[in-house]
Amino acid sequence: KQEVTQIPAALSVPEGENLVLNCSFTDSAIYNLQWFRQDPGKGLTSLLLIQSSQREQTSGRLNASLDKSSGRSTLYIAASQPGDSATYLCAVRPYGGATNKLIFGTGTLLAVQP
Amino acid sequence: EADIYQTPRYLVIGTGKKITLECSQTMGHDKMYWYQQDPGMELHLIHYSYGVNSTEKGDLSSESTVSRIRTEHFPLTLESARPSHTSQYLCASSLQPNTEAFFGQGTRLTVV
Repeated sequence: KQEVTQIPAALSVPEGENLVLNCSFTDSAIYNLQWFRQDPGKGLTSLLLIQSSQREQTSGRLNASLDKSSGRSTLYIAASQPGDSATYLCAVRPYGGATNKLIFGTGTLLAVQP
Repeated sequence: EADIYQTPRYLVIGTGKKITLECSQTMGHDKMYWYQQDPGMELHLIHYSYGVNSTEKGDLSSESTVSRIRTEHFPLTLESARPSHTSQYLCASSLQPNTEAFFGQGTRLTVV
């Protein structure tokens, strides 16, 4: 059974710092991995999608890497800003199964202090 | 920005009422999903659809029902709301099962 874990559960950093969020998954048989951002009481905003054949994806100050064989992904945020404060979720899309559903981690709550 | 919309954003309703949560997308996606999320907890799939007239239950047992009469519309209905249904409900869609998923803003439901 695929399980997704995110470490740390919460992180507080001063503005301007570079930071790394970690995501691990137990089964490497995945189509892709997607990183989302969730603001309090809101829906999910897609940040980056990495296909299983890719090693990394970049969007602005965000860079996500994927090491499928070791079951790990990282989300790197450069020059953090208070507006980056949110919960960051990773989700994998496993092969097979009836739904090809996304399986989510419990997220990392990020606070960027001004 | 994703073109997937949920209404209402917030709903407070009394026990026993029938409610319908609306979800619409304008991206022409065949695949649509409903997730339930309690505060501080993971998202769990409760319903999904692969296209018109196709609906299936997800992993988390739910007393809600869904319908898919049009590609763009995937409403969720609770026939008789109970306090245990209090949660956030998130709708999502994707072009294919293995492509990028887009989420709506969610409906926060409180049953009193």
